[in-house]
Formats: sequence, C-alpha cells, structure tokens
Amino acid sequence: ETGVTQTPRHLVMGMTNKKSLKCEQHLGHNAMYWYKQSAKKPLELMFVYNFKEQTENNSVPSRFSPECPNSSHLFLHLHTLQPEDSALYLCASSQDRISNQPQHFGDGTRLSIL
Amino acid sequence: AQTVTQSQPEMSVQEAETVTLSCTYDTSESNYYLFWYKQPPSRQMILVIRQEAYKQQNATENRFSVNFQKAAKSFSLKISDSQLGDTAMYFCAFMNLLQGAQKLVFGQGTRLTINP
Repeated sequence: ETGVTQTPRHLVMGMTNKKSLKCEQHLGHNAMYWYKQSAKKPLELMFVYNFKEQTENNSVPSRFSPECPNSSHLFLHLHTLQPEDSALYLCASSQDRISNQPQHFGDGTRLSIL
Repeated sequence: AQTVTQSQPEMSVQEAETVTLSCTYDTSESNYYLFWYKQPPSRQMILVIRQEAYKQQNATENRFSVNFQKAAKSFSLKISDSQLGDTAMYFCAFMNLLQGAQKLVFGQGTRLTINP
C-alpha cells in the first residue's frame, strides 16, 4: 500500500476543460512535490511545497496552478492545457524540504490532452 | 546546474544474471546525495538505494549495490541474481541541499528487462 495516493489514475481532457489532480500522503511528511514525466525525458520538477508554502516554481506555465491546503494534500489545477502537456504527473513527499531523506512517490496521473 | 546522464536507454539480461546500469553526473558541489529509483510498469516509483557523497563505502541493499566513484562522478547500480520482478525503468537521481531545498535531478532512465 502506497503512502502517497494520487487521483485520478487516468485523465483525458480537452484543451478548454478545467480539471484538478489530487495527491494525498499518509506519511506525516511536510514537503510535497509535483513532477512531470514525459516520454524519453527526465522527470521535471514543477513545484515544491514545504509546510503548505510554495518554495519552488520551476518556470511552470500559469495554466498549471498548484494548491496545498495542508501538509497532507496537494492539488494541481489544470486549465486550457496544450497537447504537449500530455504526460504522467507524479506527486512525491519527503520529511521536509531540507531533509536528506528520500522522496516517496505516488502512482501518478496519466494525463492525455485531446 | 547539475546534470545526470544515463547512457543506456535499454538493457536486457537473462534471469539470474548480473547487470550493471551506468550513471554519471556533473556537479561542482562536494556534499550531495545520489539515488537509484525503480519504476515498474504502471506502478509507483520506489527507492532502490541511496549513497551519501561523503561516505567512501559503497551502499548495498540485498541484491543491489552501487559503485560510487566520486572523482569520476560515476554512480553505477549492480543488480545481482536478477529476478523477473526487477523489470522496470531505473532512474539515477542527484540531490544536494545547499540551495535550501531538496531538489532531485533525474537522469533519462534505463529500461531494464529481465528475461526468463
């Protein structure tokens, strides 16, 4: 059983739709992350949250809007996405953002933009 | 900026064989951490093994071990007695904390297939 749960597992949406990805961690961690995994490319860090505060935005387009209401939950709100945004979106958590402890990943949401 | 390179996009070996996955990285830092993550098909990414750069001894976790060559900036993963369940994408990752944030930099990945 994973300590990091992502929903939905799969999402197909049109470019004009608005949807949200959800991530929940049950590990008592204080830092959470969003990554984008595209085919044949390294994982790309998108956002970092530590104690609900955003500490990193890796030049992500504004059509991706993260939200972290508490240390256990992380959302990624999507609107007017482009076909190149189709990818696997991974959520991860760690003890905190300055810890040397490894990150734990969820199963990801496979996003397809029509 | 740190970079991580995995030069083997795909590898395939027979069950019970030993396989080594290569990883090189580039950094000017002296204190950092290195990880190997495994991502089985349609399953979550899990940590396989980690290495602290200040430790000279190579990390070992059961059948998994690393060959860490700090001067050469090389961090290879050796899987002994490979099993069918080892089939997965393997990612090498670099992390330092000097920027006040735990930022992982990943390589492109190696797709490993263990054949029966």
